[in-house]
Amino acid sequence: AQSVAQPEDQVNVAEGNPLTVKCTYSVSGNPYLFWYVQYPNRGLQFLLKYITGDNLVKGSYGFEAEFNKSQTSFHLKKPSALVSDSALYFCAVRDMSNNDMRFGAGTRLTVKP
Amino acid sequence: ETGVTQTPRHLVMGMTNKKSLKCEQHLGHNAMYWYKQSAKKPLELMFVYSLEERVENNSVPSRFSPECPNSSHLFLHLHTLQPEDSALYLCASSQAPPTSGPYNEQFFGPGTRLTVL
Repeated sequence: AQSVAQPEDQVNVAEGNPLTVKCTYSVSGNPYLFWYVQYPNRGLQFLLKYITGDNLVKGSYGFEAEFNKSQTSFHLKKPSALVSDSALYFCAVRDMSNNDMRFGAGTRLTVKP
Repeated sequence: ETGVTQTPRHLVMGMTNKKSLKCEQHLGHNAMYWYKQSAKKPLELMFVYSLEERVENNSVPSRFSPECPNSSHLFLHLHTLQPEDSALYLCASSQAPPTSGPYNEQFFGPGTRLTVL
């Protein structure tokens, strides 16, 4: 079955520094990978996705993610973090056996001024 | 978040009550989903409706009963819940196969924060 893992419950960075939120995946076949963000008292918002093509995917709010097939990773990155980026981030993969979206447990990002 | 709306935003109910959660999507999608979000756990997919037919029920207890009267509306009927059912319940929608490929993202509502006393 398809799955993703987010190895870090919490990531802390200083404002202005680069940030990375990690995600690894396990799939059979081609991976369809997604990142979502959840702000307090809100639903999940789509950030970006990898389907095929360029390994570097650009998304909303200045975020990007790098697909690495050899390491089965899809880490979320941003060159310069903002305090307003503080939120819960979810990695997800499409399970091609039933088209369900499989989410990771989430990583809480805190950006300190 | 006006694309997918959920009501109520907060709900407190006793174990013997019957209540319903409502979800409405204004995006023209043909698939809708119910998820349960508990602290420090992955999102749990509960129900999937595609083209108004239930396509999946992930071993959800019968005290949760979904209803999808049309492609824009989704309900979750609740009865005799347990305290461990307290969670954030999220509704989502998307375009789904066969009308589109498998790579379409889902759009989420803000959720209903449910507390069972």
